[in-house]
Formats: sequence, structure tokens, C-alpha cells
Amino acid sequence: DIQMTQSPSTLSASVGDRVTITCRASQSISRWLAWYQQKPGKAPNLLIYQASSLESGVPSRFSGSGSGTEFTLTISSLQPDDFATYYCQQYNTYLFTFGPGTKVDFK
Amino acid sequence: EVQLVESGGGLVQPGRSLRLTCAASGFTFDEYAMHWVRQPPGKGLEWVSGISWSGASIHYADSVEGRFTISRDNAKNTLYLQMNSLRAEDTALYYCAKATGNSWLSPFDHWGQGTLVTVSS
Repeated sequence: DIQMTQSPSTLSASVGDRVTITCRASQSISRWLAWYQQKPGKAPNLLIYQASSLESGVPSRFSGSGSGTEFTLTISSLQPDDFATYYCQQYNTYLFTFGPGTKVDFK
Repeated sequence: EVQLVESGGGLVQPGRSLRLTCAASGFTFDEYAMHWVRQPPGKGLEWVSGISWSGASIHYADSVEGRFTISRDNAKNTLYLQMNSLRAEDTALYYCAKATGNSWLSPFDHWGQGTLVTVSS
């Protein structure tokens, strides 16, 4: 099975900061990677698919990049609504895998 | 508007069974793959199982293979998860999720609010 890791596990930041989260796959997944945002008590929300495509309705301050085994999610200027937990997910195989999550909280 | 409404969760003893249901509306149900994803309290997301639009292709996480069965009724716009031989480690909030397309290589663009399953004696 493909294992996913994320770093950091927690990130403390301020409004306006540029934030980068890294996701790594244990083997190549081409560009079959998605990013989700989850707020407490809510279901996850799709932000990015196919590594760098922005889901409809998602603010353009979110961007994704990468291919193969290393991927990044960048928030260009952190907004108050962005404090949440972020998960990557590979969908390259019949068995999907999520990363352990990165919590973005207030510095 | 896409809506996914899960039901069927509850408190169940180890070794017993439970069936979850996801009622879908607002989209053409039989054109999309569907999945179950779970989240133990305070922990991360775990994909549980998925089913193709036709039901012909089904896959399970290793942790539930042989105990859980996913199915769908396209005439009723409903997704199911039959959970047998439940264990304490199956305790989680179970989400129903819609794939973005009918291809298996699709992420999940809509999620329900989840139904809580607690396995405890």
C-alpha cells in the first residue's frame, strides 16, 4: 500500500503569512493527489485535485504543486478562515490513502 | 444542491453488526463512484471502501476487508455499508463521500456530515 506523510504536523502562523505544507508518498503517484481542508466538527472540503488544479469556489490564495512522490500546498496569504487541518490524499491506486494531517493554528 | 445524509450509526457491542446508509440527492447518483471514509475521535481520515458507479468495482481498506461490505442501490440513490464483526478500533465518525467523476481515479468533492459508530461493551 502507498503510505503518505505530511510535514509539519502542526504549523503556527499569523494572518498574512505565506504557508507551505509538504506531502510525500512512499512511491510515485504521478499527479494523483488531492488536498482537503477540515475545520472542527465539519466534513473535509476539497481544495486541490490532480496536484495543482484548484477546485471550483476555492480562493486563489491556495495552490498546489508537485509530482511523483513530493507535493506541496501553499497558502499565499493566510486568512482567518484558513486556520484548520489540511490533509493530502493519493488516489493513484485502488486503495486510497490520506496523510496524517497538518494543523494550522494561531502563532 | 448535492446532499449526502448518513444514518445508522450508534453504540454497538464488539462482534456485533451495523448497517450504515447514505441517502444522496442533487446529482445523478448512478454516474459517480461513491466512498466511505472514517475518522476516529480526534484523529485523521481513513478511507474505508469505495464502489464504482455501476457497483461492478469494489475495494476495501485492509483494516476492514472481509468484515465490511459496501453496496449501492442506484434506483434509490442510496449507498450502504454493512459492518460485521465490529471491533473497538472501528469506533469513528463515518462519512459518505462522492467522487468527482465515474473514474476510480477521482477525489471526493462532496461529503456528508457523518454518522458516529461507537463499538464498546
